This record gives sequence, structure tokens and C-alpha cells, in this order.
Amino acid sequence: EAQVTQNPRYLITVTGKKLTVTCSQNMNHEYMSWYRQDPGLGLRQIYYSMNVEVTDKGDVPEGYKVSRKEKRNFPLILESPSPNQTSLYFCASSLGQGRGPLHFGNGTRLTVT
Amino acid sequence: TQLLEQSPQFLSIQEGENLTVYCNSSSVFSSLQWYRQEPGEGPVLLVTVVTGGEVKKLKRLTFQFGDARKDSSLHITAAQPGDTGLYLCAGFDYKLSFGAGTTVTVRA
Repeated sequence: EAQVTQNPRYLITVTGKKLTVTCSQNMNHEYMSWYRQDPGLGLRQIYYSMNVEVTDKGDVPEGYKVSRKEKRNFPLILESPSPNQTSLYFCASSLGQGRGPLHFGNGTRLTVT
Repeated sequence: TQLLEQSPQFLSIQEGENLTVYCNSSSVFSSLQWYRQEPGEGPVLLVTVVTGGEVKKLKRLTFQFGDARKDSSLHITAAQPGDTGLYLCAGFDYKLSFGAGTTVTVRA
């Protein structure tokens, strides 16, 4: 089954404790992206990747890092989480930017206390 | 400021009624997508419209792309409880930008 898998689904952590949210897709998609979803603000792009070893900032990249060492994986790293990063995070992939539908994972709800 | 403004923000209707959700922008898009998101899940693509004035129908859902490719609407006829969800529009120029969404609740 074609899917985007994120882990974990729920994460509660404390300020400053480094964390990684994993994302994997099995559709051989070149394009992958991370979004955060906050009430009233919709989906805002954090980082995206056009292909292996090619990543770029989205609209709200501060406080986040990503890497794309393999085509299928695109982890999101929070080196020093802060409470304003409490949000619902989605990973998504598609054939290419603007090519075909975005396939989303089921989300990771992060709470930073 | 959202590039894409969706209205209304919330919509609650009775089963069998019709509803329309609007997506407006001052920018021109080469294509526009509509997604539906259910609680606990990621958004799922419903439709992509690419031509100004285009109308697409998906069973009881009708999608329209404005002539100037700056706005779109989603109309649901005879809504059912299964239509409940968050409806998101997303416009593509050189990147995909999402609206904040319209939360639709259809009461049985």
C-alpha cells in the first residue's frame, strides 16, 4: 500500500530536549515536505526536499533541521524544542513539486512543555 | 496574512442541505487543489483544477476555478455526515500554499 509513515504519532517533551520525527514514503517520490498545522493558520511549510541531498527552507524554518540522505526518508529534527513549536506536524510527498497530489502522513502531535 | 483566504471558517448544517466553501486570493495560480482532512488523519486530495472557469464534479461535490484563476469554490449537494471534515484549498504558483481551511460539520 502506497503510504507516508510518520513516527511517533504523539510526543510530549520538555524545552531543550532534542527530538527527531521520522518520515518514510514507499512511492519512490522525489519531493518531500514538512508542514505544521496550527488552528486558524492552516498548513505552513517548514522545509522541503526536491531530491536526495537537496533541501530548502519553507515559510517557517526557524528552530528546525532536516536531512535527505535517502530518497524514502526525510526526518525532521528539533535541536532545542521550545513551547512555540507545540503543533501538529505533517510529512508529505509527491512525484515532484507541483506534480501530482501531495500524499500526507497521519501526523505527529508534539507538545513541548 | 494568508495567501489564500477561505470562508466561512466554520460551517454546521443538517444532513440533506447544500453548502458552499470559498477560497479567494489576490494571486494567480497555475492550479488549485482541494483536500479533505478527517480527525487524526492527514489531508487527502479531492481534486485539482488547472483551467480558468473549469468546473469539476465528483459525485455530490462540484469544484469551480475562477476565470482569472485567483479563486475557487466547493459546493456540496445534499450533504451527508460522511462529508464532515476540514476542507483545505491549496494554490500552486511556484510553490503550494494552503488556506487555513473550513471546518464542515454535517449533523444527522
